[in-house]
Amino acid sequence: EDQVTQSPEALRLQEGESSSLNCSYTVSGLRGLFWYRQDPGKGPEFLFTLYSAGEEKEKERLKATLTKKESFLHITAPKPEDSATYLCAVHGSMNRDDKIIFGKGTRLHILP
Amino acid sequence: EAQVTQNPRYLITVTGKKLTVTCSQNMNHEYMSWYRQDPGLGLRQIYYSMNVEVTDKGDVPEGYKVSRKEKRNFPLILESPSPNQTSLYFCASSTGTGWLYGYTFGSGTRLTVV
Repeated sequence: EDQVTQSPEALRLQEGESSSLNCSYTVSGLRGLFWYRQDPGKGPEFLFTLYSAGEEKEKERLKATLTKKESFLHITAPKPEDSATYLCAVHGSMNRDDKIIFGKGTRLHILP
Repeated sequence: EAQVTQNPRYLITVTGKKLTVTCSQNMNHEYMSWYRQDPGLGLRQIYYSMNVEVTDKGDVPEGYKVSRKEKRNFPLILESPSPNQTSLYFCASSTGTGWLYGYTFGSGTRLTVV
């Protein structure tokens, strides 16, 4: 069964303190790994899709990387506005085309 | 502005009283889906629709109904709500095969059933 595990559950950082969020996955035939950002009281917002091991994508202070077993979301010199829950999700070749499996998320809080 | 609009944002209702949560998208997306989000359980898919008049069950469809009569609208119907359906609900849409391009989510509907 496809699984996505995110760690840590919650993370508090000082402004400017870089860190990484982890997403470990088990999926039959990974076709895509996704990162979403979710602000309190809002729906998830799509950030990145990674397709194969070794791939990296960047957006402002965020960089997502992918290996065969996990993905990292690196946050460089974060600002308070980066505070949110970050969700990881995967799509496997054994699933219907639309189905993605979400992790439970990492709640990130950046202190000013 | 491209968006998915859900209504209402907040709803408190009583057990057994039928309700409908509306979802509308203005991006001409073929694919639409409903999720519920519960603490400790993450996002779980309720129903999805690949296109007009094509709907199917997700992972947790019990107690819910949907319809897709128009491309832009995908209402979620709870015919006899129960307290275990208290949750945060999200509608999502995407073009074609959603997993490839990412989903656009609505802002959510927080439902409380007492």
